[in-house]
Amino acid sequence: QVQLQESGPGLVNVSETLSLTCTVSGGSISEHYWSWIRQSPGKGLEWIGYIHYSGITNYNPSFKRRVTISVVRSKNQFSLELSAVTAADTARYYCARLGKTDGYVFDYWGQGTLVTVSS
Amino acid sequence: EIVLTQSPGTLSLSPGERATLSCRASQTVISNYLAWYQQIPGQPPRLLIYGASSRASGIPDRFSGSGSATDFTLTISRLEPEDFAVYYCLQYGSSPRTFGQGTKVEIK
Repeated sequence: QVQLQESGPGLVNVSETLSLTCTVSGGSISEHYWSWIRQSPGKGLEWIGYIHYSGITNYNPSFKRRVTISVVRSKNQFSLELSAVTAADTARYYCARLGKTDGYVFDYWGQGTLVTVSS
Repeated sequence: EIVLTQSPGTLSLSPGERATLSCRASQTVISNYLAWYQQIPGQPPRLLIYGASSRASGIPDRFSGSGSATDFTLTISRLEPEDFAVYYCLQYGSSPRTFGQGTKVEIK
């Protein structure tokens, strides 16, 4: 059974870069696409972007100029960097797997990690 | 981007009753790539339905999905105590992928 676990700072200062890592266990990162999604009371669930182990990425235009998702194959991890954060980026951040169904739906999720942006 | 509107915002029902949740898209959802998720407080969303009507692995058959193009429905035939939660729809046929705002199913 695949498991995902987010890790990273729970507090980030305004204008700085939010950095999170997702560690995948129970499966190889090279076999799927992987995604970041966030959830906040104000905006609900928002898809941030996804990556394939080959390096192919697709980002939500709402984040495009600020976001980078990358893979660390040797550690079976992928990461999220979101630059120039504001209070609006305060949210619970989830990593998720895109399953091999037609269309690639998010089938496994991590428990999420709460990130607060502080001034 | 495709906007998904879920209704009602809150559904108040008793255990054993039937729940019908709606998800309406602002544009046609390509290939009916529409999924439903259940979220219990403190937990991540759990995949119930994908491709509008296919149940995910391990999901009880009291959950069913239907619809096409812009109108989709999640039906829970008989509510069990563990079904009281928030339900979200997701369209994954077009980029960016977008979620609905959720329907809360609460105990009456």
